[in-house]
Amino acid sequence: AQRVTQPEKLLSVFKGAPVELKCNYSYSGSPELFWYVQYSRQRLQLLLRHISRESIKGFTADLNKGETSFHLKKPFAQEEDSAMYYCALKSRAAGNKLTFGGGTRVLVKP
Amino acid sequence: ETGVTQSPTHLIKTRGQQVTLRCSSQSGHNTVSWYQQALGQGPQFIFQYYREEENGRGNFPPRFSGLQFPNYSSELNVNALELDDSALYLCASSPTSGGAGDTQYFGPGTRLTVL
Repeated sequence: AQRVTQPEKLLSVFKGAPVELKCNYSYSGSPELFWYVQYSRQRLQLLLRHISRESIKGFTADLNKGETSFHLKKPFAQEEDSAMYYCALKSRAAGNKLTFGGGTRVLVKP
Repeated sequence: ETGVTQSPTHLIKTRGQQVTLRCSSQSGHNTVSWYQQALGQGPQFIFQYYREEENGRGNFPPRFSGLQFPNYSSELNVNALELDDSALYLCASSPTSGGAGDTQYFGPGTRLTVL
């Protein structure tokens, strides 16, 4: 069975400090990983996906198949980064469903 | 381009009742997925509809059922409501049924409270 784990429920950092959100997954096939973000009073939206190898709003994430991880990083956190972040895995074998982690709340303090 | 919309925004029901939630997919999208998000948890996959057919189902009982219409909008029906059904129900649409790189776009959700 596939599973996504986000070990930190809350990450509190100061503005300008680096932030790293951990995501580990278990899946027997070839995974497709995503990070979704939900800002206050807004809907869940895609932040980035591993196949695009892109940097969005200064965030990057690298898929490490050996460690089965997809950690999200930003070198200098901004106050507008305060939000709920969800790591998700897509499985073609299970109807293309997204399996989400429990989420990490990021609070960036001034 | 219109995004994913859901109705109603909030709903209060009592145990044993039935409820129907609605979702309009984003223009050009033919696939709709439904998720349940309990308080403090990540969304959990309920099922997906592709061109009016169920295309995958999560670990939810048969009292959770759905429909997709020719215009690709969708309904989620829940019978015999239980207290644990209280949650935010999210609808997501995507342009295909899940090819590589396919992205799901989420609606704002319907908050269901079962008393």
